[in-house]
Amino acid sequence: GENVEQHPSTLSVQEGDSAVIKCTYSDSASNYFPWYKQELGKRPQLIIDIRSNVGEKKDQRIAVTLNKTAKHFSLHITETQPEDSAVYFCAARMYSSASKIIFGSGTRLSIRP
Amino acid sequence: KAGVTQTPRYLIKTRGQQVTLSCSPISGHRSVSWYQQTPGQGLQFLFEYFSETQRNKGNFPGRFSGRQFSNSRSEMNVSTLELGDSALYLCASSSAGTGGSNTEAFFGQGTRLTVV
Repeated sequence: GENVEQHPSTLSVQEGDSAVIKCTYSDSASNYFPWYKQELGKRPQLIIDIRSNVGEKKDQRIAVTLNKTAKHFSLHITETQPEDSAVYFCAARMYSSASKIIFGSGTRLSIRP
Repeated sequence: KAGVTQTPRYLIKTRGQQVTLSCSPISGHRSVSWYQQTPGQGLQFLFEYFSETQRNKGNFPGRFSGRQFSNSRSEMNVSTLELGDSALYLCASSSAGTGGSNTEAFFGQGTRLTVV
């Protein structure tokens, strides 16, 4: 069935360093890969997304890469700051069909001062 | 533009009872989906409604059901509550299926259900 695996489950990095979170999806029909950030007690919010016809997308300190052949996609956060501390979820879905989102299990990112 | 609104925010119920949660999507959005979030299982898809019809369903027992009204507002119902149903229930609305180019899913704040 549809599945998204996410690693690592926890990640602690020094402020200013980079953080990388990796995901693998199983459904070949998935063509849209959003990343959500969820701060404690708050709702998940979209931070960046990528469609399958693109290999990389960047937005300031955040970038996402996609290897459709290998069914891998990754989130890269550079120059990490304390406000980057949160739980990050990768996800996969069909872009046009629905909001049925298959989420990864989440990565708790902690930024050490 | 108002965001996705979920009510109530918090709920405490006893085992065996049933509960109804409500979700009002962003104006113009016709797709509403529901997710269960628990520390152990993460975010799991329950079901999705579009124009009053269930379009997709996750792997949850029949105790979990939902519906959508003509104004796109959605409710989900859980019957015969179990302790393991304690979770944050999130709904998300999207314009997916309406021909728009942006089909981002916007989440509500969630309803935290505690079953005792």
